Amino acid sequence: NAGVTQTPKFQVLKTGQSMTLQCAQDMNHEYMSWYRQDPGMGLRLIHYSVGAGITDQGEVPNGYNVSRSTTEDFPLRLLSAAPSQTSVYFCASRRIPGTQETQYFGPGTRLLVL
Amino acid sequence: KQEVTQIPAALSVPEGENLVLNCSFTDSAIYNLQWFRQDPGKGLTSLLLIQSSQREQTSGRLNASLDKSSGRSTLYIAASQPGDSATYLCAAISSNTGKLIFGQGTTLQVKP
Repeated sequence: NAGVTQTPKFQVLKTGQSMTLQCAQDMNHEYMSWYRQDPGMGLRLIHYSVGAGITDQGEVPNGYNVSRSTTEDFPLRLLSAAPSQTSVYFCASRRIPGTQETQYFGPGTRLLVL
Repeated sequence: KQEVTQIPAALSVPEGENLVLNCSFTDSAIYNLQWFRQDPGKGLTSLLLIQSSQREQTSGRLNASLDKSSGRSTLYIAASQPGDSATYLCAAISSNTGKLIFGQGTTLQVKP
């Protein structure tokens, strides 16, 4: 298994540009989520999904959209990038939502918005 | 609202020392508590997961304990090594929301 994969590893955007951060897992996990990590703030939950076709907001959802059309993929969309969205983004998954399962993380995407 | 706090924010110790990292959470309604390790510029690696019905978990030189009544977890690292230098994060899964809430992490430096 490749586990949780994320692309790209690094991206530079200009303010107002849009882009999609890709996340995929090959472990047939139902639960997937996106976090952003900022210095002094820890990891904060952006959006999550408990299964294909179901998504919900986390702590900091503004400026981000998600969709879950398949079990494997959970892309994160920035519609109009802002400098405040400069961060490291992590995708994570676990087998069944709300259970006592280990959560697996991708390697992260570093985003710089100028 | 669940809040997770880690103290200290940074710690520097000489090699060979035993050390304890602390994690506290405000809502005792949790499924489990996980400890992660993060190396600079890397993703998160799960170290230990303590289920809500358990009191502790051990893996090699690592031992994590959980006291739900006091809202505390500790990660004990025995005989620390320079390779243990990393940021350690604790996170709790709320049994009310299913969300994983992280502390801000403790950055550990073990000096040779």
